[in-house]
This record gives sequence, structure tokens and C-alpha cells, in this order.
Amino acid sequence: DARVTQTPRHKVTEMGQEVTMRCQPILGHNTVFWYRQTMMQGLELLAYFRNRAPLDDSGMPKDRFSAEMPDATLATLKIQPSEPRDSAVYFCASGLERQAGLNQPQHFGDGTRLSIL
Amino acid sequence: QKEVEQNSGPLSVPEGAIASLNCTYSDRGSQSFFWYRQYSGKSPELIMFIYSNGDKEDGRFTAQLNKASQYVSLLIRDSQPSDSATYLCAVLRNSGNTPLVFGKGTRLSVIA
Repeated sequence: DARVTQTPRHKVTEMGQEVTMRCQPILGHNTVFWYRQTMMQGLELLAYFRNRAPLDDSGMPKDRFSAEMPDATLATLKIQPSEPRDSAVYFCASGLERQAGLNQPQHFGDGTRLSIL
Repeated sequence: QKEVEQNSGPLSVPEGAIASLNCTYSDRGSQSFFWYRQYSGKSPELIMFIYSNGDKEDGRFTAQLNKASQYVSLLIRDSQPSDSATYLCAVLRNSGNTPLVFGKGTRLSVIA
């Protein structure tokens, strides 16, 4: 059963430290999404890649967050320096987009639960 | 106006009843609509999608879409306690480079 794999599942660190979250999308999927979920804001889109090219990172604080896809099997989300307000669950999702804008069911990974002290 | 709006709930229904979850969206050109279920502490799981006006049934779930009213709903028949979760409505906007926009979800509680 194909799954989106995220690591680590949990991360606790002190403010100011660098945090790197990794995602392996489902093999064959050509879109990758990073979301942040909090009780107050719900699911917020941070970054969106299609065929490894970044298409939308307008939801991401540029001064401390960065998202990359070094290859088709790996997406990374980095926070440097981390702050307590970054504490949230970060989800990666992938999908197969056959035509731009159509038919994009996304499949989510289990998420990284991040706590910044 | 938020792009995708849902009543946050909680919506409480007795076991065996029909649960009705509603969602409205602002982009009239939206074409694809999805329902995700999220159990506490878990990731969202796709349960239904609908593209055309009308009803789409899958087991105990029925998705209903009314594009003229910009309204999509999810009905759960014969609700079970295991259906207790947060249900997220997601809408694919008309712009080609724009991904899904999620509502904040409705929390459903099915009482045994």
C-alpha cells in the first residue's frame, strides 16, 4: 500500500535550533505539498511543488522557512532559526496531477509533530 | 469571506442517525471538491470527491454538490461512533497552479 513517508514523527528542540523535516512522496506522484496544522489556523499551505519545481510558497515565512526537492523521492522543509510559534504538526502530501488544475486528490503522510521550547 | 467555510461544530448525532456536514466556497469557478476525515492525532484521509452537480454515493457516504449555490455537503448514513472525527472540506480552485484550499473542519461526535 503506497504511502507518503515523513520523518521524524516527533521533534522537540529549543528555540533558535535548525529543524529539518523530510518527506518521501508516493512513487509516481508529481506534486508535493507542505502544510502546517494548528488548532487556531487549521491546515495552512506552506509550499507546493509540481515536477520538483516550486509553484507556490506564499504561505511560508521566507525569513526562516525553506522548502526544497533535491530529487523526486525527497522533499525537505527547514526552519532556521526555529521559534516557539512554529510549534505545530507539519504534514506532507503528494498527488498525481495529469492536467493542470484538475483531479488532485492528495494523500497525506503521518505528519511531524514539532515542539519548539 | 473565507474561501472555504465550514461550521466548526461539534456536531453531535446519535448512533444510527444521518450526519449532515456542510461546506460553502467562494470561488465560483472551482471544479473539484473533496472530503477528508481526520481522527484526533492522525493525518487527513481522503474519503470522497465530487466533480459534477448532484449526488455521489459510496457506501454510507453521499457527497452532494450544488455549484450554483457554491455548496457541497457530506451525508453519513447509519452513523457509527467510529465516524467521530473532524471532517475537512477541500476545494480545488480554478487556477491551474493553485492547489486545494481546505476549510477548518467540522468536528463530528456520534453518540452511542
